[in-house]
Amino acid sequence: DGGITQSPKYLFRKEGQNVTLSCEQNLNHDAMYWYRQDPGQGLRLIYYSQIVNDFQKGDIAEGYSVSREKKESFPLTVTSAQKNPTAFYLCASRWQGTNQPQHFGDGTRLSIL
Amino acid sequence: DAKTTQPPSMDCAEGRAANLPCNHSTISGNEYVYWYRQIHSQGPQYIIHGLKNNETNEMASLIITEDRKSSTLILPHATLRDTAVYYCIVSSGTYKYIFGTGTRLKVLA
Repeated sequence: DGGITQSPKYLFRKEGQNVTLSCEQNLNHDAMYWYRQDPGQGLRLIYYSQIVNDFQKGDIAEGYSVSREKKESFPLTVTSAQKNPTAFYLCASRWQGTNQPQHFGDGTRLSIL
Repeated sequence: DAKTTQPPSMDCAEGRAANLPCNHSTISGNEYVYWYRQIHSQGPQYIIHGLKNNETNEMASLIITEDRKSSTLILPHATLRDTAVYYCIVSSGTYKYIFGTGTRLKVLA
């Protein structure tokens, strides 16, 4: 089945550690996105990438980093510089046509121990 | 990208139509209206989108007013599984969605 796979579903991090969240898609989508969702809130854009080897900061990029070495993969690293990393992280992808909708994975819930 | 305004919550009886409104008075000519829903602890699910004409698919209908300043998502026969938070988003589709807090729809048995 085609889709967007995020792993792991739950992730725990100790203070001061970096952690990487995985996002893989087999939909042959060009663009990929990372969002963060806090309880009771909408999603906020962290980073996005429209083509391989290129990515741009979203609204809340501080404390995060990404890479886009392959079309199907867009991993997100939450660094120790992110002061409040506990949140629900969502990955999305879409074809590059102007009206194509984004499709989302099922998310990774990150908690700080 | 334009912002949207939605009521925070709505109830609907099972089997009845659920009509979810959205205001987007600052929408520009090249922006589409997208609807998603999110069930707790899952990723948002795409429902439908449109530019200016009404749209229908197997999940829902989207009615956009002639001036495009508002729209309504219609779930024709709501079921308990339609209980979710519904998000209305306007975007030129290039990259950025601006999510509000959505409408929490509760379908009542």
